[in-house]
Amino acid sequence: GENVEQHPSTLSVQEGDSAVIKCTYSDSASNYFPWYKQELGKRPQLIIDIRSNVGEKKDQRIAVTLNKTAKHFSLHITETQPEDSAVYFCAASHPYTNAGKSTFGDGTTLTVKP
Amino acid sequence: DAGVIQSPRHEVTEMGQEVTLRCKPISGHDYLFWYRQTMMRGLELLIYFNNNVPIDDSGMPEDRFSAKMPNASFSTLKIQPSEPRDSAVYFCASSRTDMNTEAFFGQGTRLTVV
Repeated sequence: GENVEQHPSTLSVQEGDSAVIKCTYSDSASNYFPWYKQELGKRPQLIIDIRSNVGEKKDQRIAVTLNKTAKHFSLHITETQPEDSAVYFCAASHPYTNAGKSTFGDGTTLTVKP
Repeated sequence: DAGVIQSPRHEVTEMGQEVTLRCKPISGHDYLFWYRQTMMRGLELLIYFNNNVPIDDSGMPEDRFSAKMPNASFSTLKIQPSEPRDSAVYFCASSRTDMNTEAFFGQGTRLTVV
């Protein structure tokens, strides 16, 4: 089955700096890669996703890149703010399964220091 | 739509007691997933349903765990008998038939077994 590895497990940055979280996946057939943000005591919520037919997607301060050949994808947050502090999960999904059955990474705890 | 609704939000029970967690998916969503989240194991998929039918329960840890979905708007996850190591946050999530789409999570139930 699919295996998703996520790094780093913790990340601390100064407000205004950029943060990058990286994930690798094992199943070359996976074609949907969502990123979820989970604030303390709250539920995971989708912040951005990318499909395998594109290499990069941006939404304001957040961007995701995908390298299908290397089977890795990354989340980039620019101009970080304290409210970006949360746990971020990457996931990978096979085309013949629903996205909810995505295989999740172990999460990255991002701390943005003011 | 109110989103995925879970109840109760918090549950404290004594070891050996039966615990029932409840979930109402988003109307029109035909996939429903039960996850367990702990610090040690991260986010684990326990079981998922499609059109009320259990598709994959390989993530259910033991026979003490069971899940049902009697209709499209309701699902339960039952633990009987409960043990302290079952303490975790249990999330329900739902999504649509469309291949590879976002999963919407409920607020979770924080279960503490003492």
